[in-house]
Amino acid sequence: DAGVIQSPRHEVTEMGQEVTLRCKPISGHNSLFWYRQTMMRGLELLIYFNNNVPIDDSGMPEDRFSAKMPNASFSTLKIQPSEPRDSAVYFCASRNDRGVTEAFFGQGTRLTVV
Amino acid sequence: GNSVTQMEGPVTLSEEAFLTINCTYTATGYPSLFWYVQYPGEGLQLLLKATKADDKGSNKGFEATYRKETTSFHLEKGSVQVSDSAVYFCALSSGGSNYKLTFGKGTLLTVNP
Repeated sequence: DAGVIQSPRHEVTEMGQEVTLRCKPISGHNSLFWYRQTMMRGLELLIYFNNNVPIDDSGMPEDRFSAKMPNASFSTLKIQPSEPRDSAVYFCASRNDRGVTEAFFGQGTRLTVV
Repeated sequence: GNSVTQMEGPVTLSEEAFLTINCTYTATGYPSLFWYVQYPGEGLQLLLKATKADDKGSNKGFEATYRKETTSFHLEKGSVQVSDSAVYFCALSSGGSNYKLTFGKGTLLTVNP
């Protein structure tokens, strides 16, 4: 298995632009997580999907952030409009909840908003 | 709600020194506990895990024991190497209908030759 695949690996965009981050979870996993990592705040859970349904989005910072999971093999995290304070590394992780196993992380997307 | 508290870093050690990174948790029920490691520029990787009380997880010379009485899951290694330099995260996964992962803030470990 190729693992969790995120794209792009790096994104530089101007303030006000729309940014879309993509994630392909491991096949057969039924839970998906989006995390944001910064030096100041560490690793923050943004949203958690189970069987493609958003279960907990309490970590989504504000209405500028939205996430979708149209099917079991694809998820997006969108920021519109982007702001410099959104600069961070965004991680996607997936897990098979049947047995509560560990989550597997992608390599992350480093977002820089200038 | 669930929470994980781990010792603040950074931790700097010489090669072959003994390592302990403390981790305590608050959770309802019987969570599973994990240690993840993040090398520079990479995502988090599972280092070890324990799913019930008194279980000991181990991998690459690292160990941690699930202590329900003290709600702790401290990470230890008897002799660290330069290649162990990374950020270490303690995490828990709660049961029931919500299997959300909760992470500690991470501890940066630097091992000098």
